[in-house]
Amino acid sequence: IAGITQAPTSQILAAGRRMTLRCTQDMRHNAMYWYRQDLGLGLRLIHYSNTAGTTGKGEVPDGYSVSRANTDDFPLTLASAVPSQTSVYFCASSDSTGTYNEQFFGPGTRLTVL
Amino acid sequence: GQNIDQPTEMTATEGAIVQINCTYQTSGFNGLFWYQQHAGEAPTFLSYNVLDGLEEKGRFSSFLSRSKGYSYLLLKELQMKDSASYLCAVMDSNYQLIWGAGTKLIIKP
Repeated sequence: IAGITQAPTSQILAAGRRMTLRCTQDMRHNAMYWYRQDLGLGLRLIHYSNTAGTTGKGEVPDGYSVSRANTDDFPLTLASAVPSQTSVYFCASSDSTGTYNEQFFGPGTRLTVL
Repeated sequence: GQNIDQPTEMTATEGAIVQINCTYQTSGFNGLFWYQQHAGEAPTFLSYNVLDGLEEKGRFSSFLSRSKGYSYLLLKELQMKDSASYLCAVMDSNYQLIWGAGTKLIIKP
């Protein structure tokens, strides 16, 4: 593994189903983030974690949950998917949470909820 | 509210220079970032400005004026591979990145 990996690459999901998007990084970064990217909109932060064992809500957290049991993994769960959650989801990580905060992104998961 | 504005799309010619503008209104300011995103791929970091002025990195330069809430990304000697979306993001007082919708840059031969 080099950098950040996400799984699955893409998924079609029936509304009401539960889904977990996986994210793993091998850079030993403290901070991790989940964003969604929709056409015509900027990346929007869903949840973040500044360090293992802590999580926080971003701009659009409703309908999503996260956990950070260790440094490397940061899964995102949709408890009961709805069509408005159709989007491209990016996981990112950064070494710091201060002002210089270069974020490294995974390849993304394209999720379609029908 | 917080707002980042950038043009939706720009077209330029191979070998030329293009300037992509970004204006912002955020609660606090802890730096401005530019990222490049090729279609279907992840964003990748280009530049960071926290003080006023110009930062140069090869063919790419980024400028910041904090008093005007304004930044631009300057791309010189354009190449076809520069066709991508360019994302402006501002770190607010909570150290969270607020992202613009991105500028799609089309390079023509």
